Amino acid sequence: DAKTTQPNSMESNEEEPVHLPCNHSTISGTDYIHWYRQLPSQGPEYVIHGLTSNVNNRMASLAIAEDRKSSTLILHRATLRDAAVYYCILSGTDKLIFGTGTRLQVFP
Amino acid sequence: GAVVSQHPSWVICKSGTSVKIECRSLDFQATTMFWYRQFPKQSLMLMATSNEGSKATYEQGVEKDKFLINHASLTLSTLTVTSAHPEDSSFYICSATKHPWDSYGYTFGSGTRLTVV
Repeated sequence: DAKTTQPNSMESNEEEPVHLPCNHSTISGTDYIHWYRQLPSQGPEYVIHGLTSNVNNRMASLAIAEDRKSSTLILHRATLRDAAVYYCILSGTDKLIFGTGTRLQVFP
Repeated sequence: GAVVSQHPSWVICKSGTSVKIECRSLDFQATTMFWYRQFPKQSLMLMATSNEGSKATYEQGVEKDKFLINHASLTLSTLTVTSAHPEDSSFYICSATKHPWDSYGYTFGSGTRLTVV
């Protein structure tokens, strides 16, 4: 499975945008880029996913580099409820293998 | 939206006993279900993949005789931890994919906290 590299932790202030980077230099042409987040003592929650084009939904935006070797999850206005571990995962049509993720802290 | 229900949310059992955890897809058919375990402050580790009506595929290092997985229908998979010991204490999480698969297709349960005493 292709691996991803994320910073261990990031910090943000409330109401500010947050850009969470992910490197995936060994991505294959059929791999989707998935982002999930996990709050303490809960199962992961879907955030967004994409293949080649940038994607927007009500939670976040996903910016995918032209060569697809990196991507950035953008939270437009961080709230305290966005404090979680964010996982960037590559997958085709089979299993999701989680890396270590980025722990996002949001300060009031 | 797709919902996966996991039960129980927490369980305490005595060492040597077995514990069953259920994972149900409530509003979709789940061709494939996945079981993960997570230790404190660590990431999720995939234990096994189960397809409806067939034997589960276990990841390397996971004891299939200890962690019994049954996926008898398109909406239900169970994980049984047999002869549980304190080192099996962990957070167990299931996930299900829709049938047919689409790129949105991974929904997670809320997890089961197992404590073996």
